[in-house]
Amino acid sequence: GQSLEQPSEVTAVEGAIVQINCTYQTSGFYGLSWYQQHDGGAPTFLSYNALDGLEETGRFSSFLSRSDSYGYLLLQELQMKDSASYFCAVRGLSGGYQKVTFGTGTKLQVIP
Amino acid sequence: KAGVTQTPRYLIKTRGQQVTLSCSPISGHRSVSWYQQTPGQGLQFLFEYFSETQRNKGNFPGRFSGRQFSNSRSEMNVSTLELGDSALYLCASSPGSQAVQETQYFGPGTRLLVL
Repeated sequence: GQSLEQPSEVTAVEGAIVQINCTYQTSGFYGLSWYQQHDGGAPTFLSYNALDGLEETGRFSSFLSRSDSYGYLLLQELQMKDSASYFCAVRGLSGGYQKVTFGTGTKLQVIP
Repeated sequence: KAGVTQTPRYLIKTRGQQVTLSCSPISGHRSVSWYQQTPGQGLQFLFEYFSETQRNKGNFPGRFSGRQFSNSRSEMNVSTLELGDSALYLCASSPGSQAVQETQYFGPGTRLLVL
């Protein structure tokens, strides 16, 4: 089967940098994605890593190490609006089908 | 360009009934995926459609089914509703033909309450 682990909560100060880690177990790995979801809202795609290394998109960066089954999301210059839940998701193989499995989410609280 | 739309936004049903949810993807997108989100289980993948074919599926019972039409609009059906089916059902569309295309755009969801 597939499973992911990420911290349940993280608190960080406005303007600081925060890293949200994600470890996964899957068969037939295709890629690791990150999503942001504000309370009451729908998930918003942030990034996708299929290969090892760092992907940067503005204040957000995502890293993947396939050999360690590990990735992280890095948020820089934190803003109050970054307070949200962040989900990692892995696409792998299960029962002959590709399947997307989400982590349980990390609730990020940005404080002044 | 209009985003992903889902109807209805809210729905109340009783146990044993069936329900059909609708999703209209972003214009030009051909892939539609469905997810269930609950406080206890988080986000769970239901199935993915591309060009009217179910391309991938998660581990949900056969009571959950879906289909996609030639205009890429998709419907999801749940038969014989159970209390545990109460959830937010999210639809996501993506543009490409590649199964690994991960830039998914989510709709606002349909909140289903089963009494």
